[in-house]
Amino acid sequence: AQKVTQAQTEISVVEKEDVTLDCVYETRDTTYYLFWYKQPPSGELVFLIRRNSFDEQNEISGRYSWNFQKSTSSFNFTITASQVVDSAVYFCALQINFGNEKLTFGTGTRLTIIP
Amino acid sequence: DAGVIQSPRHEVTEMGQEVTLRCKPISGHDYLFWYRQTMMRGLELLIYFNNNVPIDDSGMPEDRFSAKMPNASFSTLKIQPSEPRDSAVYFCASSLGRDRGLDEQFFGPGTRLTVL
Repeated sequence: AQKVTQAQTEISVVEKEDVTLDCVYETRDTTYYLFWYKQPPSGELVFLIRRNSFDEQNEISGRYSWNFQKSTSSFNFTITASQVVDSAVYFCALQINFGNEKLTFGTGTRLTIIP
Repeated sequence: DAGVIQSPRHEVTEMGQEVTLRCKPISGHDYLFWYRQTMMRGLELLIYFNNNVPIDDSGMPEDRFSAKMPNASFSTLKIQPSEPRDSAVYFCASSLGRDRGLDEQFFGPGTRLTVL
């Protein structure tokens, strides 16, 4: 069975600080995909990144970066120079191969950026 | 391009009534997913379709829930009869399916259902 753990329920940081959101996953499959989604106060789920299990390169997109480490089954998300607009709930999700396309979500981390 | 469209955005109904939620996926997407979000259970998959065919409905809570996808551009999730514990936000999502459905899923705005 698959499982995604986001141990940080809530995080608050002052604007312009860097913040890292942790994600630890469990799966027996060797091929899988990891995702991050953002849910702002308006409620919609916004796709941020998709990463397959064979690509451990870190990724950077503007102020966002992701660190994927298979050795520790982690896929952490860092926001650099945080802004108030980053305030949202962030979900990490796992999807395995072989005919099981559903996303298994973590419980989410509520990030509040204090102006 | 239009994203995933869901209607209604809000629904308030009384216990025992039938509720129908609607979804229009992104054109050209082969996969359609229905999720439910509650405080207690978080985001959970209810059912998903590939090319209009239901693939996995193991997340459907009970027989009161049913979902259909009569064509590539429309799906419904029906609850009959509705109960207060069905109150949640219901999301529809679609994905392109170029990599067997393992592409990113694009979510609709959700339907907030309140059953009194």
